[in-house]
Amino acid sequence: GAVVSQHPSWVICKSGTSVKIECRSLDFQATTMFWYRQFPKQSLMLMATSNEGSKATYEQGVEKDKFLINHASLTLSTLTVTSAHPEDSSFYICSARDPSGRGEQETQYFGPGTRLLVL
Amino acid sequence: SQQGEEDPQALSIQEGENATMNCSYKTSINNLQWYRQNSGRGLVHLILIRSNEREKHSGRLRVTLDTSKKSSSLLITASRAADTASYFCATSWYGQNFVFGPGTRLSVLP
Repeated sequence: GAVVSQHPSWVICKSGTSVKIECRSLDFQATTMFWYRQFPKQSLMLMATSNEGSKATYEQGVEKDKFLINHASLTLSTLTVTSAHPEDSSFYICSARDPSGRGEQETQYFGPGTRLLVL
Repeated sequence: SQQGEEDPQALSIQEGENATMNCSYKTSINNLQWYRQNSGRGLVHLILIRSNEREKHSGRLRVTLDTSKKSSSLLITASRAADTASYFCATSWYGQNFVFGPGTRLSVLP
C-alpha cells in the first residue's frame, strides 16, 4: 500500500526556536497532503491542506505565520513551527491521498507522526 | 462542519470477545472511513464504506452504515490483544477534508 514517512519522529527544542517537520510520500506522488495535530488522548485536528506548487489552505484558528507549510514537490511537504512555545508541544501527523488508482482515492495514508516537545 | 463521534469512548474486553464501536455524524457524507491508531503512532486505514453501501467486511472487521440515522458501527470479531488501540471514524463529503471523531480506546485483555 501507499507509504508516507515523517521526519523526525520526535524532537525536543527550546522555546523560541523553529522546528521543521518533513512529510514524504515514498511510493506515490501526492498533489495534496494534510497536516494534523493531536493532543494526548484526543482526536486529530486538521491544521491545513498542503497543495503542491501553491499556497496551503489553513483551517480556521490556525495561524499561517506560526505554522509554515511548503509543498515544493509531489513527494514532500514540510511544516515549520516558528518561534515554538511550550503550548505548541503536540503530536503532528501528516497524510496524503494516493491518486494513482491503486487504492480507493478517498483514502488518506498517514505518516507515523512527529512528537514535538518545546521546553 | 461534519463531525464523527465515536461511542463508547473507552471499551475493555477479554481476548476472544467481539468489540463494537459506533460512530455518529451530523451532515451528509459520501464515505466514512475507520482508522486504527496504536499509542504514539500514526493512523492505519482499516476500511472505507461509501454512502450507498450498508455493510462491508474485511477479515475480522465488519462495518455497517446507516445513512438515515447518520451512524456507522465497527465490529471486531474474536478480538486479540494486538487489537488494543484507539479507533477513529472519519467522514468526508466530495472533496472536503476528513473530520475525525474523538475515538474509542479499545483494550483487549489477555
